[in-house]
Parts: sequence; C-alpha cells; structure tokens
Amino acid sequence: DAKTTQPPSMDCAEGRAANLPCNHSTISGNEYVYWYRQIHSQGPQYIIHGLKNNETNEMASLIITEDRKSSTLILPHATLRDTAVYYCIVRVSETSYDKVIFGPGTSLSVIP
Amino acid sequence: EAGVTQSPTHLIKTRGQQATLRCSPISGHTSVYWYQQALGLGLQFLLWYDEGEERNRGNFPPRFSGRQFPNYSSELNVNALELEDSALYLCASSGRGSNQPQHFGDGTRLSIL
Repeated sequence: DAKTTQPPSMDCAEGRAANLPCNHSTISGNEYVYWYRQIHSQGPQYIIHGLKNNETNEMASLIITEDRKSSTLILPHATLRDTAVYYCIVRVSETSYDKVIFGPGTSLSVIP
Repeated sequence: EAGVTQSPTHLIKTRGQQATLRCSPISGHTSVYWYQQALGLGLQFLLWYDEGEERNRGNFPPRFSGRQFPNYSSELNVNALELEDSALYLCASSGRGSNQPQHFGDGTRLSIL
C-alpha cells in the first residue's frame, strides 16, 4: 500500500496558485518526499523532492511540515498545461535498497 | 541531454506469445526501473536493475523477467502473455548515489489480443 494519501481530484483557476496536499504520517526519518506528475499518455515527470527543508525549483515549491507528516506542492501560476495527475511518494534510496510505491495521485484540472 | 527512451512505442501480441521491451537510460545513469500501469490503475513496481544486477522485484510472477546490459540499457521480457498483461510499461533511470530522482520514458503500450 502507498504510504501517502492525496485528494483524488482538485480544480484550480488558470493563473492562480495550485496547492496540492499530501499526507505521509508514517514517514520514516530517512525517507524523502518526491512529487511527480503524469500527463495523459506520457510517462511521469519528476517535479521536486525534499527531506525536511522547503525546496524550490523552476517548476514548483515543496513545503514540508516540521513534523514531516504532510507536505504541499505549490505551482505558483497554474497554466492549462499543468492539468495532470500529481503523485506524492515517499522513498528511501540507497545503493542497496530502493522501494517506490505510487498511489492513485491527485487529478488536477486547471480551468480557463 | 536525451531522456529515457523506450521501444517499441506500441506492441501487439496474442495470448501465449512472448514480448520484449527495451529501455535506454539517460547517459550516466546506472539504475533502471520497470513499472506496469494497467488502464485505470496506478504504477506498479516491477523490477530494479543497477550495475547489471537485479536488485529488487515487485509482486509479479516469474514470467516477468529482464536484464541490464553493460551499457546500462535494459530489456523487459514477458513470457506466456495473458490478457491482463495489457498495460503501459514504463522504464525509469536514475544516477549514482542516494536519493537520485527517477526519470521516466513515455512507455511501451502492450496490447494482448
């Protein structure tokens, strides 16, 4: 079973910030939070990941709560091309161990 | 920089046949992962290869197998195909070191008639 829970769907107005929540209450100390998105008929696209500090890149920002039990992916100015399924996963990746479990994700619809 | 490439894009087989799917990782990446995504379902982890060795496999029968070549490219083989094997098969690669993100190809759509 996935170690994360996300709302099944969300809407966001074009040009507004999209805030996608994720709960990972059983996260372990060495597990990172990763976000991917999948646009129909394409492979998942890596967005961002973090351990405990907030992270930002050219695509999005990741806010992780201090207790690490939840996080929020922020798309600052959503466009129609951001319509996709967004997956939040927790993962520990070492040279000898790597396990990834994808849940059903959040289907984000950006509305004109 | 070229991304992960998979071939073929589409593959049509009949029950009982064998299918071979191929994956070329991003240059410099040593790990390759295979996932199955059946229609309406999430990504299910299949196999992980690193430095030519199988490191982990998901909950799939032994007729799902693969290998990784010295150039780090990989093959996924599915024997004795069944109707429920119809799915999008995704390959991802990641670089050396801990917690390197996986980067995905666009998959091979396998249809079993």
